[in-house]
Amino acid sequence: QKEVEQNSGPLSVPEGAIASLNCTYSDRVSQSFFWYRQYSGKSPELIMSIYSNGDKEDGRFTAQLNKASQYVSLLIRDSQPSDSATYLCAEGRLYGNNRLAFGKGNQVVVIP
Amino acid sequence: ETGVTQTPRHLVMGMTNKKSLKCEQHLGHNAMYWYKQSAKKPLELMFVYSLEERVENNSVPSRFSPECPNSSHLFLHLHTLQPEDSALYLCASSQDTDYEQYFGPGTRLTVT
Repeated sequence: QKEVEQNSGPLSVPEGAIASLNCTYSDRVSQSFFWYRQYSGKSPELIMSIYSNGDKEDGRFTAQLNKASQYVSLLIRDSQPSDSATYLCAEGRLYGNNRLAFGKGNQVVVIP
Repeated sequence: ETGVTQTPRHLVMGMTNKKSLKCEQHLGHNAMYWYKQSAKKPLELMFVYSLEERVENNSVPSRFSPECPNSSHLFLHLHTLQPEDSALYLCASSQDTDYEQYFGPGTRLTVT
């Protein structure tokens, strides 16, 4: 099965720095991509969706999509301790009814 | 109530028990999903319902039985589970033509 891959290992960033997360996917026909944030013991929360090549900004979050290279990234500017969570990348697949394929997630730890 | 709700939030059951998980969405969506989240694994899609019709069953064992009586409610009936079925079970919903899925808080299931 085609996979969504995220960098392994936790990412530690100092407070105020930029956290950068990457995700690669293998299904060339995918049209939609999503970033979810999941706090420990909680459910995933949608924070960004992106459908077109380029950048999409929402507050301190920027999603970047490059369909030619098949990657999507998430930048968190001015990282705060409240950003400490696991970030899940998801790819929308054209298999009929709205299937999302999720990566394993990237843990981000913001150090005060 | 707003968003997606799930009950119970925690459930401990023996392998011979029968229990049901309930999900309700208040977003006016017409697609609903069950996911399983185990430690160190990506989210696993279990079932998809669109317009109350099951459109996908992702090779889930028959000891898990979904039911969708209407577009706002989704159940997962459990019987003769195994300890390896212990996990966080998440419900999500979306609009039929929109890939953005919104998750409920989940049910933490422990099978003893």
